[in-house]
Amino acid sequence: GENVEQHPSTLSVQEGDSAVIKCTYSDSASNYFPWYKQELGKRPQLIIDIRSNVGEKKDQRIAVTLNKTAKHFSLHITETQPEDSAVYFCAARNYGGSQGNLIFGKGTKLSVKP
Amino acid sequence: NAGVMQNPRHLVRRRGQEARLRCSPMKGHSHVYWYRQLPEEGLKFMVYLQKENIIDESGMPKERFSAEFPKEGPSILRIQQVVRGDSAAYFCASGEETQYFGPGTRLLVL
Repeated sequence: GENVEQHPSTLSVQEGDSAVIKCTYSDSASNYFPWYKQELGKRPQLIIDIRSNVGEKKDQRIAVTLNKTAKHFSLHITETQPEDSAVYFCAARNYGGSQGNLIFGKGTKLSVKP
Repeated sequence: NAGVMQNPRHLVRRRGQEARLRCSPMKGHSHVYWYRQLPEEGLKFMVYLQKENIIDESGMPKERFSAEFPKEGPSILRIQQVVRGDSAAYFCASGEETQYFGPGTRLLVL
């Protein structure tokens, strides 16, 4: 089955710096890769996603890149702000395949220092 | 358009009791997924349901746990004879390709 590895587990940056979180997956059939942000005690919220037919997607300060050959995808946050502090989870899924569930990485705790 | 709703938000049970967690998907969604999150950890898939059908329960323990999504009403995750190790946040999500999460039920077993 699918396995998703996420690094780093914690990341501390200064306000205004960039943050990069990396994930690898094992199942080449995975074709959908969302990123969720979870604040303490809250629900995971989708912040961006990418499909396997696209190499990069950007939404304001957030971007995601996908390398299908290397089975690797990354989240990039530019001009970080204190409100970006949260736990970020990557996930992979074989949408349309035999399993419908998301496989999550273990999360990255991002701290943005003012 | 209301999002995914879960209740109760917090549930306290003593060991041996039953816990029933409810999830109402977003309007128009017929796919529901349940995930469990232990403190300081990621989300682990438990079960995937469509109306009146369990599609994939490979992540759900065989003993004490069951799930249903009836034709009418919310999806229910049921944990019988709870143990302390069942204490966790239980999230449901709905959607097809993109999954949207509810606020979760935090279960505490004393």
